[in-house]
Amino acid sequence: GAVVSQHPSRVICKSGTSVKIECRSLDFQATTMFWYRQFPKQSLMLMATSNEGSKATYEQGVEKDKFLINHASLTLSTLTVTSAHPEDSSFYICSARSQLGTGYYFGPGTRLTVT
Amino acid sequence: GQQLNQSPQSMFIQEGEDVSMNCTSSSIFNTWLWYKQDPGEGPVLLIALYKAGELTSNGRLTAQFGITRKDSFLNISASIPSDVGIYFCAGQLVQGAQKLVFGQGTRLTINP
Repeated sequence: GAVVSQHPSRVICKSGTSVKIECRSLDFQATTMFWYRQFPKQSLMLMATSNEGSKATYEQGVEKDKFLINHASLTLSTLTVTSAHPEDSSFYICSARSQLGTGYYFGPGTRLTVT
Repeated sequence: GQQLNQSPQSMFIQEGEDVSMNCTSSSIFNTWLWYKQDPGEGPVLLIALYKAGELTSNGRLTAQFGITRKDSFLNISASIPSDVGIYFCAGQLVQGAQKLVFGQGTRLTINP
């Protein structure tokens, strides 16, 4: 149980284009989902917290107009990187917290490369 | 921002040895979680701790929620090659707060 999927696992896009990453909780309902960014050999950096049906809460320094988050249902959240630039290249990981609040489960991550 | 102090940052051990790592903070936590991350993948939950003093095992792994609620440790006994990876501690800072605070990670390398 407690499986979180992400799609795509890898994406390469050209500078200036937008990329959407999906995060799904497969066998539980997640009232809250989190989006992280991880640079090589570093810890996870929280970008934003999204609650189903409401606007996401962004961490300080994260541009909400650049990283659009939608949490349309209890099992799906999406992160759209708009007008991507090479410095947006990173490993993006989502996490979902179950309605029961027992544990935070992570997706397998999405490797974004912007050329 | 708020961060947990995780140590050691890296460990180089022989197969079969026991491993110990810990996280400390000046703040009080309500939940401690330990994760393992393999290269190119997301973190996998190993152990979750919800009460001060709680000691929980998961196979060869044992973790404890410090009695002061400001620290936690993770022990791995009789290490095997597949234990290689990065281990992260994470804590939920205050009750009702949703987000986790992460440690910097401990990179474990095992010599066969």
